[in-house]
Amino acid sequence: LAKTTQPISMDSYEGQEVNITCSHNNIATNDYITWYQQFPSQGPRFIIQGYKTKVTNEVASLFIPADRKSSTLSLPRVSLSDTAVYYCLVVFGNEKLTFGTGTRLTIIP
Amino acid sequence: GAGVSQSPSNKVTEKGKDVELRCDPISGHTALYWYRQSLGQGLEFLIYFQGNSAPDKSGLPSDRFSAERTGGSVSTLTIQRTQQEDSAVYLCASSQNGGLYGYTFGSGTRLTVV
Repeated sequence: LAKTTQPISMDSYEGQEVNITCSHNNIATNDYITWYQQFPSQGPRFIIQGYKTKVTNEVASLFIPADRKSSTLSLPRVSLSDTAVYYCLVVFGNEKLTFGTGTRLTIIP
Repeated sequence: GAGVSQSPSNKVTEKGKDVELRCDPISGHTALYWYRQSLGQGLEFLIYFQGNSAPDKSGLPSDRFSAERTGGSVSTLTIQRTQQEDSAVYLCASSQNGGLYGYTFGSGTRLTVV
């Protein structure tokens, strides 16, 4: 599976848009890009998945450029409750997920 | 059930004792995974069950760790002769058919070895 690289931590103020970028230079043709969110004392939660271009749901948007070597998770108008660790993963078929250390996002009042 | 259920939620054990951690996946999910997470760290894969196939045990850190899944549903992770370095949160997840379909995680079992 393609290795992913993302910032270790980020801080943002409430109400701002937050963009977390992930690099996956060795992504393969059949791989998808998936993001999970983990709050303290909980297991990770699936938030969004995409293959190319843009995907949007009620939680976030995912932007994937044409070369697919990176992706950006966008959280609109964050609140304190968005403080969490965000994991970027590259997924193929039914292979098991490999989690990195993720990006620790802290929202400041 | 509606989600993945793990028990106990917390377990404190003495070094050298055996422990069993239980995971009850979402009904109908054929894939079941165990991960562990040490304080402030990412998730470390332990073992993966998919249907009736032989489990992928490639992540088990030592032969003190074992897991089984009975009847394609409930799974038990057993740690024998626990050591202090086994202290972590043990997370279970289930999926309809692998990573592409999204995992649903339980809230984990926090294991403390004293």
